[in-house]
Amino acid sequence: AQSVTQLDSQVPVFEEAPVELRCNYSSSVSVYLFWYVQYPNQGLQLLLKYLSGSTLVKGINGFEAEFNKSQTSFHLRKPSVHISDTAEYFCAVRFMNTGFQKLVFGTGTRLLVSP
Amino acid sequence: DVKVTQSSRYLVKRTGEKVFLECVQDMDHENMFWYRQDPGLGLRLIYFSYDVKMKEKGDIPEGYSVSREKKERFSLILESASTNQTSMYLCASRTGQDYGYTFGSGTRLTVV
Repeated sequence: AQSVTQLDSQVPVFEEAPVELRCNYSSSVSVYLFWYVQYPNQGLQLLLKYLSGSTLVKGINGFEAEFNKSQTSFHLRKPSVHISDTAEYFCAVRFMNTGFQKLVFGTGTRLLVSP
Repeated sequence: DVKVTQSSRYLVKRTGEKVFLECVQDMDHENMFWYRQDPGLGLRLIYFSYDVKMKEKGDIPEGYSVSREKKERFSLILESASTNQTSMYLCASRTGQDYGYTFGSGTRLTVV
């Protein structure tokens, strides 16, 4: 089965430090890629997406991600985090060889930003 | 702004009860989804619907059913609630042509 892996379940970081949240997926087929953020007791909100074109994608709140086809990765980065970035982040993939438009989600990475 | 609304934020139900979770979207989208979210497991797809009265099982359909009588409403039904169904339930609707989802705020269900 196709899968999405977020190896880091939790990433602690100090305020104003850079951060990278890792995402890898299992297949070399064509994909659409997404990052979502979930603040406590809320639903998921789209941060950014890659559908085609430039492999560097910019999203909301200063986040960006880079699609690397050869490494089947889509890592999320921010050069300087804020306390308010504390949340859970989910990577999601639409594998284009499947028959229906469903997303496969990773298990999430909890970003903890401390002063 | 587009909206996906889940009728309850928190629910507490007893074991064996029949439970209905409601989701309404105002975007005229054909595709709707129900996920459950558990710590360390991420989001797992329970059921999805690609049109009125059309439904497909997701990865973990056991113990659940769904109803889609109108395009805007997708209901998740727990036929006989059990404690292992205590979870956060998220409804989503497909957004346009780019396959992204819009999510509701979630329903945190506790079965006692």
